Amino acid sequence: AQKITQTQPGMFVQEKEAVTLDCTYDTSDPSYGLFWYKQPSSGEMIFLIYQGSYDQQNATEGRYSLNFQKARKSANLVISASQLGDSAMYFCAMREALYNNNDMRFGAGTRLTVKP
Amino acid sequence: NAGVTQTPKFRVLKTGQSMTLLCAQDMNHEYMYWYRQDPGMGLRLIHYSVGEGTTAKGEVPDGYNVSRLKKQNFLLGLESAAPSQTSVYFCASSYLGSPLHFGNGTRLTVT
Repeated sequence: AQKITQTQPGMFVQEKEAVTLDCTYDTSDPSYGLFWYKQPSSGEMIFLIYQGSYDQQNATEGRYSLNFQKARKSANLVISASQLGDSAMYFCAMREALYNNNDMRFGAGTRLTVKP
Repeated sequence: NAGVTQTPKFRVLKTGQSMTLLCAQDMNHEYMYWYRQDPGMGLRLIHYSVGEGTTAKGEVPDGYNVSRLKKQNFLLGLESAAPSQTSVYFCASSYLGSPLHFGNGTRLTVT
């Protein structure tokens, strides 16, 4: 069963504006971690941000923030002040602490295009 | 630091041929993973390892085998390649609970 859902295959944003990429997840494990990765056209996977299920505050890393709504099981990525270099595929991923032996499962991804 | 190194970067196989993808990490990570990436499907876990000498199946293990004889190396084997195995393969490693560190991928085409 799909545990990570990214419902936006593609998104467009104007340069300097903010954009939200959606991610919902499904788990019965009380302890889990949520991750976002960026994959530019060059193909490498770049870790962006992490949110633990017990973290009280939303994670932030520079222009990236994670809008974590635990009851809704959503972990949306917010990119502020978009730049042309933000154009890439973005993947949401989850790791469950008790189940699945520390493996990480990914969503299908969202392709973000930043317009000048 | 090399991080996670995958070899080869590209490979073309004919149906029925075999090959081995090599992944090496120099970060002393316990955990190693093999994923495949296909358009519209994100990354799907093939096999993973929680330590030297141990392996486990992921979401899509059929047609693949793995071995982890040394902590730093994780091998992915295709015994009889099929066109459905045309994909980009990523190796990754991590500590328990930490983000994954990825290699740069191997693009495999099976004709």
